[in-house]
Amino acid sequence: EADIYQTPRYLVIGTGKKITLECSQTMGHDKMYWYQQDPGMELHLIHYSYGVNSTEKGDLSSESTVSRIRTEHFPLTLESARPSHTSQYLCASSPQEYEQYFGPGTRLTVT
Amino acid sequence: KQEVTQIPAALSVPEGENLVLNCSFTDSAIYNLQWFRQDPGKGLTSLLLIQSSQREQTSGRLNASLDKSSGRSTLYIAASQPGDSATYLCAVHNAGNMLTFGGGTRLMVKP
Repeated sequence: EADIYQTPRYLVIGTGKKITLECSQTMGHDKMYWYQQDPGMELHLIHYSYGVNSTEKGDLSSESTVSRIRTEHFPLTLESARPSHTSQYLCASSPQEYEQYFGPGTRLTVT
Repeated sequence: KQEVTQIPAALSVPEGENLVLNCSFTDSAIYNLQWFRQDPGKGLTSLLLIQSSQREQTSGRLNASLDKSSGRSTLYIAASQPGDSATYLCAVHNAGNMLTFGGGTRLMVKP
């Protein structure tokens, strides 16, 4: 059983607000990922990290930013939320070249 | 660029049927292939991971096969139950443990 957590689970926020989506894992995994999934659509990788102080952009361009100051935390920030950011955001972690474990997701709605 | 396709996109079957979900990928240079289950509005639950050197994996009523040379994987579900209703996602692990997802198969098992 994977221990990966995301908060908040649901967020409704107005346009222009700054938001941070939290992701934490207690398994000591070096690799962490953020995916974006629009309703009924495929998952797309937006950010990943291979360890502390390592962050890279994924396949899908995103206006969000991430940081990796500690192994267990990989927060995602949107400086100014817009309706186009409405989506589900899924965090995952992985112990090197093995399977990825996913958190429960954050469903974001920007009004 | 790796592309993953899942067929069918949606499937509705009566309880008790055995069924097969298909996944194909364009680049056979994969490390692993992972099958996930996603319930509406939720995160992903890992079902099976097949390493590139393996041909199949089994877990309970689930059996996944991998034919790397032809770029195909199948997920076989035996004796389907209403609780199996969900979206099933296939994802291939590329270099750097990057996952490329298929569009998923939405399964409905009717009592």
